[in-house]
Amino acid sequence: SQTIHQWPATLVQPVGSPLSLECTVEGTSNPNLYWYRQAAGRGLQLLFYSIGIDQISSEVPQNLSASRPQDRQFILSSKKLLLSDSGFYLCAWSRAGLVYGYTFGSGTRLTVV
Amino acid sequence: GQQLNQSPQSMFIQEGEDVSMNCTSSSIFNTWLWYKQDPGEGPVLLIALYKAGELTSNGRLTAQFGITRKDSFLNISASIPSDVGIYFCAGQLYQTGANNLFFGTGTRLTVIP
Repeated sequence: SQTIHQWPATLVQPVGSPLSLECTVEGTSNPNLYWYRQAAGRGLQLLFYSIGIDQISSEVPQNLSASRPQDRQFILSSKKLLLSDSGFYLCAWSRAGLVYGYTFGSGTRLTVV
Repeated sequence: GQQLNQSPQSMFIQEGEDVSMNCTSSSIFNTWLWYKQDPGEGPVLLIALYKAGELTSNGRLTAQFGITRKDSFLNISASIPSDVGIYFCAGQLYQTGANNLFFGTGTRLTVIP
């Protein structure tokens, strides 16, 4: 069966510090991968998605970047965090091709102080 | 991206009451899905609907794919405290590329024991 792992679960970082959040998927190959951000009590905002290694599409201009160095690894990064980067970050995966829904990880709560 | 209007935004109900929420769009979707997000967790798929007019149940949950393919509703019968969370509708298009699932703004459900 397929599983998605996301870490860390919580993170408190000072303004101006770098960020690296990691997501890995097991039990499948060539998945589509996604990063979402959710502000407190709000909806899901798609940040990045990837259909393959080193293939990243950005949905919104922002202070963050994403990379996919391996088939089942997706990384969300920032060189210098802003207060507005605080939120709940969710990684998700789907099968390539005709798919039915995405499967989400358990999320990372990021607080920038 | 596609716009999905989900209502109500929030609901406060007594334990044992039935719940109804819906999702509408100006666009036609091929698949409708309903997710539930527990506090501090990632969304989890509850029900997937694949055909216009389809009515599907999963325990106390019932969802329907609107005949126009532009809407869907979710009903929860005899609510219990663990139904608390945010419910998201999502519409999916059969199209190439990975970015083909669009989420509603969410309905926050609070169940009062």
